[in-house]
Order: sequence, then structure tokens, then C-alpha cells
Amino acid sequence: AQKVTQAQTEISVVEKEDVTLDCVYETRDTTYYLFWYKQPPSGELVFLIRRNSFDEQNEISGRYSWNFQKSTSSFNFTITASQVVDSAVYFCALSDPQNNAGNMLTFGGGTRLMVKP
Amino acid sequence: DTGVSQDPRHKITKRGQNVTFRCDPISEHNRLYWYRQTLGQGPEFLTYFQNEAQLEKSRLLSDRFSAERPKGSFSTLEIQRTEQGDSAMYLCASSYVPGQGSGSYNEQFFGPGTRLTVL
Repeated sequence: AQKVTQAQTEISVVEKEDVTLDCVYETRDTTYYLFWYKQPPSGELVFLIRRNSFDEQNEISGRYSWNFQKSTSSFNFTITASQVVDSAVYFCALSDPQNNAGNMLTFGGGTRLMVKP
Repeated sequence: DTGVSQDPRHKITKRGQNVTFRCDPISEHNRLYWYRQTLGQGPEFLTYFQNEAQLEKSRLLSDRFSAERPKGSFSTLEIQRTEQGDSAMYLCASSYVPGQGSGSYNEQFFGPGTRLTVL
């Protein structure tokens, strides 16, 4: 069975601080995909990034960076120089294309990030 | 606007009533997914369609839940005899997958959701 754990339920930082959101996953599959989604107060899930299990290169996109470590089954997300607009709930998710549910996403419980001015 | 749309955005109903939600996916997307999100939790997969075929429905929460996508375009999710525990956000997502074979993957794009409150 697949499982995604986001141990941090809430994080509060002051603007311009760096913050890392942790994600640990479990799967028995060798091929899988990992994702991060952002859910702002408006409620709509916004796709941020996808990584496949064969690509362990870290990725940077502006102030966002992702650290995928297969050895520890972790896919952590760092926001550099946080801004108030980063305040949202962030979800890590896992998908196994080999399963019977059409690439369904298994989500973690989410981390609520509050960035204070 | 070419994103995923859902209607209604909010629904308040009394226990025991039936409700139906609609999802319009991105027009060229052949896959459509339904998820449920309860307060403080991540979304939970319910069912999905490839074109008009419902290929996975074992994760629907009970036999009171059903979904259709009759022409391979929009989809409806119906909950019969609603219970207070059905109160949640119901999310729809769509994606395009070029082939039937596993291994291909494209991102799922989510709609704004329908928030259901059962009194």
C-alpha cells in the first residue's frame, strides 16, 4: 500500500525566512511519481512539481527547490526568502502508474504554512 | 477560462437528501478523477474515468456514491441519502494520457471543488 506522511501539520515563519516542508513516502513499487501541490485559501489545488522515481536530481524553480532522496524515501520542499503570498496548505502526493487506479494520487495530510509579515 | 470547472461551488442540504455535482474537465483531457477532501486532511481518491469508461470505482465510499461520464466529457457525482459525515469538499481533476498502457503520466489539474454541508 502507498502512504505519504507530512509530519509537520503547521509551520509559522516570518517573511524572508527560509522554510522546508518535509515529505516521507512509502511504496513497494520501483516506478512512481512524486508531486507537490499548493492549496491557497481559495481552495483550488495548484500543481507545483512532479518527479519520477528514476530522477533524483534536485530541482530549483525561482524561490522553490526540491530535494528527492530515494534512500530515505523523502521528497522535501524548500521555499527560500518566504513571502506572505506563500501562505497556504502544501500537499505532497505519490502516484504509481502500475496500479489499477489510473495514476490516482495518494496525498499526505498537508502542511499549513503561515508566513507573517 | 480553459481550466477544470465544478458546479455548484457550495451545496447545503439536509440529511437524507440526494445531491449531484458536476465537473467539466479541460476539453482535451481524456481522464477525469473525483476526490474527497475533509477538513484538515489531504484529498482522498474516489473514482476515475478514461473517456466514458469508469475504470475504478472500488474506492467510492459506499453504495450511496455513484459517478457518471456519459459522453466522455463532463461528469457527475451523486450522493444519495446524504449523511452528516458526507460533509466535505469534493474535488474533480482531469489529465490527458496518450495511451492505455501504464507508465505514461501527465499532471492532474484540479477544479475549485464543491463544498458540501449536510445539516
